[in-house]
Amino acid sequence: DSGVTQTPKHLITATGQRVTLRCSPRSGDLSVYWYQQSLDQGLQFLIQYYNGEERAKGNILERFSAQQFPDLHSELNLSSLELGDSALYFCASSVHTGVAGSGELFFGEGSRLTVL
Amino acid sequence: GQNIDQPTEMTATEGAIVQINCTYQTSGFNGLFWYQQHAGEAPTFLSYNVLDGLEEKGRFSSFLSRSKGYSYLLLKELQMKDSASYLCAVRDHTGAGSYQLTFGKGTKLSVIP
Repeated sequence: DSGVTQTPKHLITATGQRVTLRCSPRSGDLSVYWYQQSLDQGLQFLIQYYNGEERAKGNILERFSAQQFPDLHSELNLSSLELGDSALYFCASSVHTGVAGSGELFFGEGSRLTVL
Repeated sequence: GQNIDQPTEMTATEGAIVQINCTYQTSGFNGLFWYQQHAGEAPTFLSYNVLDGLEEKGRFSSFLSRSKGYSYLLLKELQMKDSASYLCAVRDHTGAGSYQLTFGKGTKLSVIP
């Protein structure tokens, strides 16, 4: 158990719909990262927040948005869903932004999204 | 980290040694990580290299050559439970105190009896 909690574990929805994925980081971790993993693309970095502020942006579509709340949990919102959005969405957390020590990421179990 | 290359699949025999290579190209290198990911599960941290050389941790070792943009993960005394994907990841300094960890597509290792 990494200490990172993601909900829901599984989600099935239709094209055009909107979903929200939730992540609670490890106690004490200030950074939250979102990654998308599909079969042919591997782990793709979407976005990072540190203590409530956006710190880095990767290959995140405009239809997707995220935020980190004062209690440090984060939500990833996916809208106007398409078949290609079906993937495993991972949240990870770390203490810092990646400066101190190894800055390893601790991953949640992921949310598997299926768009039909 | 961009252009991270690692073999797609490898097969090795139980009890043997296997080396998984990773090459990368990046402009703001700030460390290389190896993660293990069993099918359908979360990636878990294996090792971290920021300086050239070998880091050993039990049956697993990781090597880094920054000048060559090259790393490898060495797994000794292979066990069936080592069957998993091994992800090479490079951390870049993206400016203003920000860092980004980019993953390769992973190497699926199958350990056979």
